[in-house]
Amino acid sequence: DTAVSQTPKYLVTQMGNDKSIKCEQNLGHDTMYWYKQDSKKFLKIMFSYNNKELIINETVPNRFSPKSPDKAHLNLHINSLELGDSAVYFCASSQEAGTRRYNEQFFGPGTRLTVL
Amino acid sequence: RKEVEQDPGPFNVPEGATVAFNCTYSNSASQSFFWYRQDCRKEPKLLMSVYSSGNEDGRFTAQLNRASQYISLLIRDSKLSDSATYLCVVNGYNQGGKLIFGQGTELSVKP
Repeated sequence: DTAVSQTPKYLVTQMGNDKSIKCEQNLGHDTMYWYKQDSKKFLKIMFSYNNKELIINETVPNRFSPKSPDKAHLNLHINSLELGDSAVYFCASSQEAGTRRYNEQFFGPGTRLTVL
Repeated sequence: RKEVEQDPGPFNVPEGATVAFNCTYSNSASQSFFWYRQDCRKEPKLLMSVYSSGNEDGRFTAQLNRASQYISLLIRDSKLSDSATYLCVVNGYNQGGKLIFGQGTELSVKP
């Protein structure tokens, strides 16, 4: 009965590889997010999708491409991985983002990516 | 200047102590304010929202000063289980749910 799940939990890979991280939420939320938490612990938003439509796209390299097949899933594909991509990637979801003032975001357990 | 700034700590306090965390934000148009808690190697979780009039939840009290763009969190009677990183978070109106996180303040409560 996990609310927001991510796979894999750990990902160790070589520079230059392509990898994907999957996220699923069973809360019935219509908005999902990807965040990156770097080694200095700063948590920064990368993307947000509302009902499968991209609504937030921060300054992120083109190598990162989110895909939302339906509103319960938001996957993150990363091409040509670089050392600087090493971080913890968190998926999150909330209900009715947009002009609503606030809705609590629920985070997944994170995917710890290490690029060697 | 960072959009949300916090003292990173660590704050090392004995059980039962009262501890206060401060946070400042740069965007005066910010509308919603929160404290999230993140345990070591875990995901962030909402601790409490912060309202203009100030609000309390058990041992936790949050305050907001819009004029000074300042947010605070007070923890009374600290417990060992309060040890975590406390993240100050700000959301701008009509920004599609975009949350801006401070870097967090680390709290360690010792017996």
